[in-house]
Amino acid sequence: KAGVTQTPRYLIKTRGQQVTLSCSPISGHRSVSWYQQTPGQGLQFLFEYFSETQRNKGNFPGRFSGRQFSNSRSEMNVSTLELGDSALYLCASSPRPGGTEAFFGQGTRLTVV
Amino acid sequence: AQSVTQLGSHVSVSEGALVLLRCNYSSSVPPYLFWYVQYPNQGLQLLLKYTTGATLVKGINGFEAEFKKSETSFHLTKPSAHMSDAAEYFCAVSDTDSGYSTLTFGKGTMLLVSP
Repeated sequence: KAGVTQTPRYLIKTRGQQVTLSCSPISGHRSVSWYQQTPGQGLQFLFEYFSETQRNKGNFPGRFSGRQFSNSRSEMNVSTLELGDSALYLCASSPRPGGTEAFFGQGTRLTVV
Repeated sequence: AQSVTQLGSHVSVSEGALVLLRCNYSSSVPPYLFWYVQYPNQGLQLLLKYTTGATLVKGINGFEAEFKKSETSFHLTKPSAHMSDAAEYFCAVSDTDSGYSTLTFGKGTMLLVSP
């Protein structure tokens, strides 16, 4: 069974641009969560999607958004990039919300210059 | 609100020595508790989890953790460290009542293993 796939693995963007990151969950998993990892703040929850609906959202500005498609693949978008958005963005998939096991992808390393 | 505190941002051990990584949590409801490991430039891999039942949980790669409700702790141990254990370890808690999959992580502990 294939794991969680995140694309691209690395990105370099300029301040003010926008970026879209993609996550394909494990086959059969319908819940996808996104996390931001930075040296200063650690791992922080961004949002969770299930059946194309956002079920939960972390404390991030509106520049951070996401969506989930009918095949459970998810994308997150960050608009008007700031230097502080440089981070490793991790996606986790679970069979269902409230599950006891989250499987993480390898992440997308975003660098904003 | 939940929170996780990992004592020590770095822990150094010699190969073959006991590994002990400390985690204390705060939760208003019975928690689900997890330990994840992260190797450089990689995602998080689940080591073990506690949901209900037996408080001593065994995981992969010889790791285990014990849930102690009275101490609100979930420390990770391994009897004998191996060089390949060098990585960053994260303790996490999930709210059992919310129905969400949201994990609250500690700041992480970097495990250094010397020959």
